[in-house]
Amino acid sequence: GQQVMQIPQYQHVQEGEDFTTYCNSSTTLSNIQWYKQRPGGHPVFLIQLVKSGEVKKQKRLTFQFGEAKKNSSLHITATQTTDVGTYFCAVRGSTLGRLYFGRGTQLTVWP
Amino acid sequence: NAGVTQTPKFQVLKTGQSMTLQCAQDMNHEYMSWYRQDPGMGLRLIHYSVGAGITDQGEVPNGYNVSRSTTEDFPLRLLSAAPSQTSVYFCASSQHLAGTASGNTIYFGEGSWLTVV
Repeated sequence: GQQVMQIPQYQHVQEGEDFTTYCNSSTTLSNIQWYKQRPGGHPVFLIQLVKSGEVKKQKRLTFQFGEAKKNSSLHITATQTTDVGTYFCAVRGSTLGRLYFGRGTQLTVWP
Repeated sequence: NAGVTQTPKFQVLKTGQSMTLQCAQDMNHEYMSWYRQDPGMGLRLIHYSVGAGITDQGEVPNGYNVSRSTTEDFPLRLLSAAPSQTSVYFCASSQHLAGTASGNTIYFGEGSWLTVV
C-alpha cells in the first residue's frame, strides 16, 4: 500500500511553545489530508491539501504541502492544552477509494 | 443531526464467536469505510464501499465481511473472532471519495472498542 512516514511519533511541549509534525512520501501525492484525534476520541478531519506548495491556515494551525508534493507539515503556533491529541496525515492510494494513514504524532502539552 | 453512528461502543467476545458492528450515517453519503486502529499503527482500512451494493477490500480485510444494502448502513461482520482482532474500529463516511474533491470532509463515528479473549 501507499507508504507515508510521519515524524515524530511523540512530541512533548510546554504550553506556548510551537509544534510541528511532518509527513513524507517517496512518491508524488495527489493530495494529503490531516486529522486530529483527542485521547479516547475519534479522528476529526482538519483539512485537505491538493496544490503544490499550498499553504492553508486555521487559526494557530498552518498546513503546508511541499513543492514536489512528496511531503507535508502541520505547524501549531503557541500550543494550548486543548491541542493535546494525535495528529494524523492521510493520503489517497492508487486504488480509488483507499486512504492510507500515517502512524500519527502524539502531542502532549504541559501547562 | 446524528452524523455517523456506530454500535456497540464496547464489546467483549470469546475466540471463535461472530458478531456485527453496526454503522449508519444520515448524511446521504455515497462513500463509507471501516478502519481499525491499533497502538502505534495509525488507522488501517479494512473494507470500503463506493455506493449501495458495491464494496471492496482495503489493507487488512481478512476475517471481516461487509455488505451495503442501503446507502445509510454499512455493517462490519467478524466471522470467527480472534485475539488479533482486538482493536478499536471506526466507521467513516464522505460525500466524495477521499481526496477527489475540494472541500470533501470525511466523518468518523465515535468508535467501537472490541476485545477478543
